[in-house]
Amino acid sequence: DTGVSQDPRHKITKRGQNVTFRCDPISEHNRLYWYRQTLGQGPEFLTYFQNEAQLEKSRLLSDRFSAERPKGSFSTLEIQRTEQGDSAMYLCASSLDFREETQYFGPGTRLLVL
Amino acid sequence: KQEVTQIPAALSVPEGENLVLNCSFTDSAIYNLQWFRQDPGKGLTSLLLIQSSQREQTSGRLNASLDKSSGRSTLYIAASQPGDSATYLCAVRDGAQKLVFGQGTRLTINP
Repeated sequence: DTGVSQDPRHKITKRGQNVTFRCDPISEHNRLYWYRQTLGQGPEFLTYFQNEAQLEKSRLLSDRFSAERPKGSFSTLEIQRTEQGDSAMYLCASSLDFREETQYFGPGTRLLVL
Repeated sequence: KQEVTQIPAALSVPEGENLVLNCSFTDSAIYNLQWFRQDPGKGLTSLLLIQSSQREQTSGRLNASLDKSSGRSTLYIAASQPGDSATYLCAVRDGAQKLVFGQGTRLTINP
């Protein structure tokens, strides 16, 4: 069991650029979540996938944000036209299903928008 | 809208002491509550999950309790060690699949 992995771990970009993050959940986990965490705050929910279906989206997820999980395995989170306010830690988590709901988190991707 | 509050925001205790971290939530209609620890600059590590039908869960030196009717949970850490120093976060899952987090308690254990 390799746990949840995220790539890259760090990303520095200039305002206006697009960035894409990848998350690989624990094998056989059907559920995948994206959260955003700013300094000194708890994580805030962004979106949730059950297999390949995106079932929930937060109002935090503006039109500049898009997430996919094309084959029900890994997921990508893209931010278009980045803004300085997008600077945060982006966390991915996965859980098995209704039988085991513990969410296991990856190490996160820290984004800095200059 | 569910809101989760953790008190205190920071706590510093000498090594060996037993301590309690508090978590409260505004809507008692939850499915479960989960406690996490987070080391600086790192992701979250799951510690304990309590289902809404349970009163407590134990793992090693950790014991978490849940009083759903009053909207409260506590995390008890016995015989604290310097390696326990981290930020502890509680999160509740309500009707949706998402977790709603508190702001965390930053714990420092002094040798």
